[in-house]
Amino acid sequence: QKEVEQNSGPLSVPEGAIASLNCTYSDRVSQSFFWYRQYSGKSPELIMSIYSNGDKEDGRFTAQLNKASQYVSLLIRDSQPSDSATYLCAVTYNTDKLIFGTGTRLQVFP
Amino acid sequence: DTAVSQTPKYLVTQMGNDKSIKCEQNLGHDTMYWYKQDSKKFLKIMFSYNNKELIINETVPNRFSPKSPDKAHLNLHINSLELGDSAVYFCASSQGRGATWELFFGEGSRLTVL
Repeated sequence: QKEVEQNSGPLSVPEGAIASLNCTYSDRVSQSFFWYRQYSGKSPELIMSIYSNGDKEDGRFTAQLNKASQYVSLLIRDSQPSDSATYLCAVTYNTDKLIFGTGTRLQVFP
Repeated sequence: DTAVSQTPKYLVTQMGNDKSIKCEQNLGHDTMYWYKQDSKKFLKIMFSYNNKELIINETVPNRFSPKSPDKAHLNLHINSLELGDSAVYFCASSQGRGATWELFFGEGSRLTVL
């Protein structure tokens, strides 16, 4: 069974802090990695994708990938209350399937 | 103009009934999906169609039957509903076939089986 593991949280951080969200995956041949954000009662939306080892930055978001450790993370700098949501890690399995983790709930308090 | 739209948004029904959820996308995408999200937020793929061809059929009870009349529509019919079918069902689409494409989700259809 191919799995994607995330800490369910909640992860609580103060406004302005860095939020660090982590994800591990079991399939060594996975090639593509994504972070989706899901607000309560809403649908998931893509915020970051990463395909090679290292860091990828987009505004306040940085995705980090370490394929040797089968680990992907998302850093949110200068966290805002509007960042409060569930963050879903997703990993490709074979070429057709995207496997999601159970998500980490992030709470940013003022 | 909604990109991926699902109807209905809410269904409440009794065990044993049959229900359908409809999905339409106006993005011109080739691939459409049904995902199920349970109460613990676990999002699991059920089916995927590419240009009306079934390409992913996960281990789903055969009470669930998808139908894609054209590449802009993907419907889900569920027979003999059970309590465990209660979940939010998301339709999604992507521009191309394959897991590397961004998924665009509909708003979800919350199914409650009593």
